[in-house]
Amino acid sequence: QQQVKQSPQSLIVQKGGISIINCAYENTAFDYFPWYQQFPGKGPALLIAIRPDVSEKKEGRFTISFNKSAKQFSLHIMDSQPGDSATYFCAASSNTNAGKSTFGDGTTLTVKP
Amino acid sequence: GAVVSQHPSWVICKSGTSVKIECRSLDFQATTMFWYRQFPKQSLMLMATSNEGSKATYEQGVEKDKFLINHASLTLSTLTVTSAHPEDSSFYICSARYNSYNSPLHFGNGTRLTVT
Repeated sequence: QQQVKQSPQSLIVQKGGISIINCAYENTAFDYFPWYQQFPGKGPALLIAIRPDVSEKKEGRFTISFNKSAKQFSLHIMDSQPGDSATYFCAASSNTNAGKSTFGDGTTLTVKP
Repeated sequence: GAVVSQHPSWVICKSGTSVKIECRSLDFQATTMFWYRQFPKQSLMLMATSNEGSKATYEQGVEKDKFLINHASLTLSTLTVTSAHPEDSSFYICSARYNSYNSPLHFGNGTRLTVT
């Protein structure tokens, strides 16, 4: 119930292409879905987040698409750049379970120049 | 805004010694702080949840006597790895949240602990 399944594990995209990372969850109590970006040797940083009252949120080249009925959400990175090469984690949380976040296993994105 | 400072960024210690890691929220009051352990190419493994002024809540399998957590103020939490052993070598990361569960986590830059 607390799992968040993330795919793919790794992704290679050409510069300028679209990177798509998917996450699926089971717990219908989840109602906050952030994405975090982590560079090697650093802590994760919030990239973008969505709440289930909207189906899409866009910030610059980053878009979250949210499908409540399918219990899935995805991150789209448009015009991917080599500087986007990092590990991306999706997460989900609710006001149950002490408000702890459940993280996906991460996706290592490599954008080739 | 919302900066979390974690110190030290790396530490090498001898087996049997203790190491303290600090996590500070610099520009907000963190009602809740979390401590994680991250192995190479893996996700974040939650170790404990820390609320200011109360005892930390540890995840199953995490030894509370080995990983001492103190959250003495709304801006500071510390993790002490006591009697460290080589198997404790890892990347430790803290995060802080200033509001409820549906506000973002702000992470420190992690501490690379190597126990020789």
